[in-house]
Amino acid sequence: GIQVEQSPPDLILQEGANSTLRCNFSDSVNNLQWFHQNPWGQLINLFYIPSGTKQNGRLSATTVATERYSLLYISSSQTTDSGVYFCAVEGGTASKLTFGTGTRLQVTL
Amino acid sequence: EPEVTQTPSHQVTQMGQEVILRCVPISNHLYFYWYRQILGQKVEFLVSFYNNEISEKSEIFDDQFSVERPDGSNFTLKIRSTKLEDSAMYFCASSPLPTGTEAFFGQGTRLTVV
Repeated sequence: GIQVEQSPPDLILQEGANSTLRCNFSDSVNNLQWFHQNPWGQLINLFYIPSGTKQNGRLSATTVATERYSLLYISSSQTTDSGVYFCAVEGGTASKLTFGTGTRLQVTL
Repeated sequence: EPEVTQTPSHQVTQMGQEVILRCVPISNHLYFYWYRQILGQKVEFLVSFYNNEISEKSEIFDDQFSVERPDGSNFTLKIRSTKLEDSAMYFCASSPLPTGTEAFFGQGTRLTVV
């Protein structure tokens, strides 16, 4: 099946800093989504982005499908951005999402 | 905005008991899914469901698991005889199409088996 790798595994930032999270995948994809898992365990949809670039406030994402990677940018980070960020992809004929192992982000004051 | 809702948010059960986790998918969606996340690990696919039958299941989804759409709105996951290792967060998701469209996730049910 499709492989999904995320980097870095852990990231500590001071409030106000910017960061880039990366997701590499091993095959062509029909779907790519970014999620934020909050401290209560809920998965929050951030982006549906199988290709191209999207922005939502301080967050933006870019997927370069031909090179099999996606980037999530967080600007002016806030403590509420803390949590785990997951990339999930749907590849080939599979109608399911395969998740990466996540990037754990901690934003400190 | 339409959303996927799951109940209960947290369930504690004794080992060997049956549990039913409930989900209400988005009303015009046709494809439904269950995923599982053991504490500290990544989210894993369990099963997909369409037109009242299982479309695909993972090796995790063994005979102790079953899914059902008992009426026009609910989608359930049953675990027949829970084990300690079934303790996890269970997420329900739905999508309008099987591939190439966004999947919407519920807030999850945290199952604790004691």
